[in-house]
Amino acid sequence: KAGVTQTPRYLIKTRGQQVTLSCSPISGHRSVSWYQQTPGQGLQFLFEYFSETQRNKGNFPGRFSGRQFSNSRSEMNVSTLELGDSALYLCASSLTGSSEQYFGPGTRLTVT
Amino acid sequence: QKEVEQNSGPLSVPEGAIASLNCTYSDRGSQSFFWYRQYSGKSPELIMSIYSNGDKEDGRFTAQLNKASQYVSLLIRDSQPSDSATYLCAVKEGRRALTFGSGTRLQVQP
Repeated sequence: KAGVTQTPRYLIKTRGQQVTLSCSPISGHRSVSWYQQTPGQGLQFLFEYFSETQRNKGNFPGRFSGRQFSNSRSEMNVSTLELGDSALYLCASSLTGSSEQYFGPGTRLTVT
Repeated sequence: QKEVEQNSGPLSVPEGAIASLNCTYSDRGSQSFFWYRQYSGKSPELIMSIYSNGDKEDGRFTAQLNKASQYVSLLIRDSQPSDSATYLCAVKEGRRALTFGSGTRLQVQP
């Protein structure tokens, strides 16, 4: 069974631009969570989606948004990029009723 | 106080020794506990999950949970240089999001 996939793997953007990241969960997994990982802050929770509904949201500004499609694929969007948004963005999926999350390879975003 | 606390390390152990990684958490309602391994430049990989008090063994790995004392630990027996990585402890309460510690960096010296 294929793992979680994320695209693109690397991205370089300029301050003020916006970016959309994509995540395809493991087949059969309907829950998708997004995290931001930086050396200083560690792994921080962004949001969680289940059946196209946002189930949990972390403490990030409204510039960070996400959505989930009927096939469980998810996207997250960051608008008006800031230098501090440079990070590894990780997506994780889990089976319904399970708390075990499996991570994708991540998207490395660099904002210049 | 951080919700999930881990010593950042590095924890240095010789090859073949037992590595002991510890994690404490603040939410007494926490029900699910996980250990992830993250190699440098890679994403976290789930290696152990534990839900009830006591020990859970999987190969060279043993997870230990003590809910009364609010700590969870990971023992790695016969440590190998390939075990050198950052180990992340994660805790979940009910339908709340998973909360991660900042990780402990383990170095296994050949």
